[in-house]
Amino acid sequence: DVVLTQSPLSLSVTLGQPASISCRSSQSLVHSDGNTHLHWFQQRPGQSPRRLIYRVSNRDSGVPDRFSGSGSGTDFTLKINRVEAEDVGVYYCLYGPNWPNWPTFGQGTKVDI
Amino acid sequence: EMQLLQSGGGLVQSGGSLRLSCVASGFTFSTTWMAWVRQAPGKGLEFVTNTNVDESQKAYLDSVKGRFTISRDNAKNSLYLQMNDLRDEDTAVYYCARDPAYAAYDVWGQGVMVTVS
Repeated sequence: DVVLTQSPLSLSVTLGQPASISCRSSQSLVHSDGNTHLHWFQQRPGQSPRRLIYRVSNRDSGVPDRFSGSGSGTDFTLKINRVEAEDVGVYYCLYGPNWPNWPTFGQGTKVDI
Repeated sequence: EMQLLQSGGGLVQSGGSLRLSCVASGFTFSTTWMAWVRQAPGKGLEFVTNTNVDESQKAYLDSVKGRFTISRDNAKNSLYLQMNDLRDEDTAVYYCARDPAYAAYDVWGQGVMVTVS
């Protein structure tokens, strides 16, 4: 089974400064179709999760361009270029495998100011 | 706008049952995989179950196999989660989510709280 390990688990950032979250997998996430189904989600306090990035580096519509995703194989990173107050929350990486295997979330990284 | 509206949470005794519902709008429900994800109080997100468009493919978290059943009614744009033999450790907020492909959950419901006590 794939295990996703996020680090750090907690991150305190100064407004306007960059932030980086790592997501490491216990095995390569490259799919047989050539894609890597590793996604990033943001969960603000009291809200439902929201997808930010899909397939490693594709930013969702409406997501500020200060968010970016990168990585390959087993190592992935979510970067926030200049943290703003609205970025407070918990960030999760998620791997989506072939059925019948089930998706795996990272433990989450709490970002505060 | 794509939306998922959930209902059915509440307080239930250990060993009891509960059925969650999730009604979709703004997209073609019948052509999309769907999933349930939960979050225990103060904890992270956890996949519970998913289904393909005709329920011929379903996956379940090991700890809920045999107790939870996912189903859907494409005519009603609705997804369900029947939860039986509930345990204290099932206490969580339950979210339904649209899965366009490989768990890239792009639409989430508002979540409903299930408390087992």
